[in-house]
Amino acid sequence: NAGVMQNPRHLVRRRGQEARLRCSPMKGHSHVYWYRQLPEEGLKFMVYLQKENIIDESGMPKERFSAEFPKEGPSILRIQQVVRGDSAAYFCASSRRAVQESNYGYTFGSGTRLTVV
Amino acid sequence: QKEVEQDPGPLSVPEGAIVSLNCTYSNSAFQYFMWYRQYSRKGPELLMYTYSSGNKEDGRFTAQVDKSSKYISLFIRDSQPSDSATYLCAMTRGEGYSTLTFGKGTMLLVSP
Repeated sequence: NAGVMQNPRHLVRRRGQEARLRCSPMKGHSHVYWYRQLPEEGLKFMVYLQKENIIDESGMPKERFSAEFPKEGPSILRIQQVVRGDSAAYFCASSRRAVQESNYGYTFGSGTRLTVV
Repeated sequence: QKEVEQDPGPLSVPEGAIVSLNCTYSNSAFQYFMWYRQYSRKGPELLMYTYSSGNKEDGRFTAQVDKSSKYISLFIRDSQPSDSATYLCAMTRGEGYSTLTFGKGTMLLVSP
């Protein structure tokens, strides 16, 4: 039973390029969450999705960032025209149901470390 | 004032010591409390999950929640070098909310 799979593990982009981060949730999990961990900072919520729907994107920067979770395939976090400040570890998590409906939290992936040069 | 405060450490202890890790929070709406362990270059791993005030024990780990003081703790008994990691507290509100608010994490170093 594979856990939450994120790829790539490491991604280097030049300023102005696009970054695409992929997340395959655990089998049977239909809730996906993206978090960002900046150096010396805690994990910060970005977006919460269920299949084909964005439930809460209150943590997403208004520009350049977008996320999707299509009916088939992984969830994608897309960052357009990357800047140095986007360099961070991006973690995806999944759950079977909403956190408050279960007796466990999320399962996190190992993250994608984005470096913008 | 940040929503969740956590001392970043590092906290250095000898093997076998009892470790106490803590977080304070300001939002009284938080109902669910979690502790995650994160090894270097890895994703966070859920250790403990508690609802509202009280204690919960799982092996060497005990989680405590005191909602009246807005204070949560994680105790690790008989600490091992393999416990060396960053420990993140996290919390969320009640019905309708699934997003977690994390502390910055406390780095724990257990020396043999």
